[in-house]
Amino acid sequence: DVKVTQSSRYLVKRTGEKVFLECVQDMDHENMFWYRQDPGLGLRLIYFSYDVKMKEKGDIPEGYSVSREKKERFSLILESASTNQTSMYLCASSHEITDTQYFGPGTRLTVL
Amino acid sequence: DQQVKQNSPSLSVQEGRISILNCDYTNSMFDYFLWYKKYPAEGPTFLISISSIKDKNEDGRFTVFLNKSAKHLSLHIVPSQPGDSAVYFCAAAGGTSYGKLTFGQGTILTVHP
Repeated sequence: DVKVTQSSRYLVKRTGEKVFLECVQDMDHENMFWYRQDPGLGLRLIYFSYDVKMKEKGDIPEGYSVSREKKERFSLILESASTNQTSMYLCASSHEITDTQYFGPGTRLTVL
Repeated sequence: DQQVKQNSPSLSVQEGRISILNCDYTNSMFDYFLWYKKYPAEGPTFLISISSIKDKNEDGRFTVFLNKSAKHLSLHIVPSQPGDSAVYFCAAAGGTSYGKLTFGQGTILTVHP
């Protein structure tokens, strides 16, 4: 079974803080993704990575950065958290030759 | 530009009846489609998929239909059960590398006992 884990289920931060969200997958998947989910907007892709140290912008990268130093780990960084970044953040991974993505449980981030 | 659309934000169905969730797409490069199910406070879980070379794929109570000419797909759940109550997302892939998916907005399905 594919397992994708995220470092926190719930997180509360203050405006201006630097926030790190971590994601680890145990299936040796090449591709990893970060999404945010907001009501009525579905899942929107923030960043993705198809290999170690490689990253690509998704549809809404502004205000975020990512890091992938090891194949199994993909981190999302909010350089200076803002209230409009309050959301559910979801990490996913997939094998390079398939499109099926496997998701972690999500991190509910609240920025006050 | 919403390339994948789920126009019904919610659907309510009686237990035992059929649930039909719809999804439309605009990008003709999409060639692989997936449905995910999401419970509150959990990540989405993969449900069923279909390639554009097929028009139907079945897995137990779940069937996905694809109409390429209309750029429309639907998920049928028969019979519906209360445990099916969740948010359902359709997603599409193709035309880009690295397995990038484009998701719809989601439909909240409620199955009443």
